[in-house]
Amino acid sequence: GENVEQHPSTLSVQEGDSAVIKCTYSDSASNYFPWYKQELGKRPQLIIDIRSNVGEKKDQRIAVTLNKTAKHFSLHITETQPEDSAVYFCAADTGFQKLVFGTGTRLLVSP
Amino acid sequence: EAQVTQNPRYLITVTGKKLTVTCSQNMNHEYMSWYRQDPGLGLRQIYYSMNVEVTDKGDVPEGYKVSRKEKRNFPLILESPSPNQTSLYFCASRGQGLGGGYTFGSGTRLTVV
Repeated sequence: GENVEQHPSTLSVQEGDSAVIKCTYSDSASNYFPWYKQELGKRPQLIIDIRSNVGEKKDQRIAVTLNKTAKHFSLHITETQPEDSAVYFCAADTGFQKLVFGTGTRLLVSP
Repeated sequence: EAQVTQNPRYLITVTGKKLTVTCSQNMNHEYMSWYRQDPGLGLRQIYYSMNVEVTDKGDVPEGYKVSRKEKRNFPLILESPSPNQTSLYFCASRGQGLGGGYTFGSGTRLTVV
């Protein structure tokens, strides 16, 4: 089955810096890769996603890149702000409703 | 408002006492799923359902049951809870189509003593 690895587990940056979180997946059949943000005590919320026929997608300060050959995808956050502090999860979906999540990255943005 | 509603939000129970966590969505979504979240392990899928009366095991189904008698409801049943089922549980739903993100409920924090 699918296995998703996520790094780093914690990431501390200064406000205004960029942050990059990386994930690798094992199942070449995976075709959909969402990213979720979970603030303390809250539910995970979808922030951006990418499908396997696209290499990059941007939404304001957030971007996701996908390298299907290498089976890895990354989340890029530019001009980080304190409100970006949260746990971020990547996930991979083979299309059979088995959305497999990474173990999460705790991002701390210091003012 | 489009949402996934879980109840209860918090539950403390004793080992062996059957319990049900309810989940309901108002978006007419076909797909529903249950996840548990544990520190350092991320979100792990317990069961999922592709439509009414169609359910399948996720990665950690042992000790859990589900049913999907109606499209909007997907309850999680613990017939004989044990302390290792102490966790944060999330129900989620999404519609058909290529990919598409899950919408999560607010979560149920379960403690089994």
